[in-house]
Amino acid sequence: QVQLHESGPGLVQPSETLSLTCTVSGASISSYYWSWIRQPPGKGLEWIGYLHYSGITHYNPSLKSRVTISVDTSKNQLSLKLSSVTAADTAVYYCARTLDMGHFDYWGQGALVTVSS
Amino acid sequence: DIQMTQSPSSLSASVGDRVTITCRASQSISNYLTWYQQKLGRAPKLLIYVASSLQSGVPSRFSGSGSGTDFTLTISSLQPEDFATYYCQQSYSPPYTFGQGTKLEIK
Repeated sequence: QVQLHESGPGLVQPSETLSLTCTVSGASISSYYWSWIRQPPGKGLEWIGYLHYSGITHYNPSLKSRVTISVDTSKNQLSLKLSSVTAADTAVYYCARTLDMGHFDYWGQGALVTVSS
Repeated sequence: DIQMTQSPSSLSASVGDRVTITCRASQSISNYLTWYQQKLGRAPKLLIYVASSLQSGVPSRFSGSGSGTDFTLTISSLQPEDFATYYCQQSYSPPYTFGQGTKLEIK
């Protein structure tokens, strides 16, 4: 059974860097693409970007200058870094397995990150 | 970016009703269209992929159709557990984008 679990600080100061980790169990992180998706409170879904363990990445242009997605295959973990955050980056952040046709079949439970001083 | 527009934004219906939600893409996306269900405080759940393929474990009362720019999600007979928010998503061209959501409420 595939499971994803996001973890990281729930509160980040404005202008700082948001860092989250997604731990994957039940599947090898080397076998798929993996995405980060976020959802501001009460709002819709925004795709942040995806990564393949081979190093292929694709970021949403709206966030590209501030985002880094990386992988640690030894720990079967995916990570997200978002720099220079503002209150507009407050959201629930999800990691999700991304299949060949670009849909997301397994999701983590989500991690709420609040940007506030 | 490809814009996805869902209609209606909200919908009231009763148990047993047949419900249809529409999703329109700002350009042709072939069949690269996915539907998700999201309940309050939970992650989205995959229902339908490549426009009409039912995800394993999803009840057969859910169906999807369409290609090009116009797509529909149909629930043939609403059950109490179906009241949730539904999102469409295109994966034809990154950045992948979602519709704004359709909130399905109990009448």
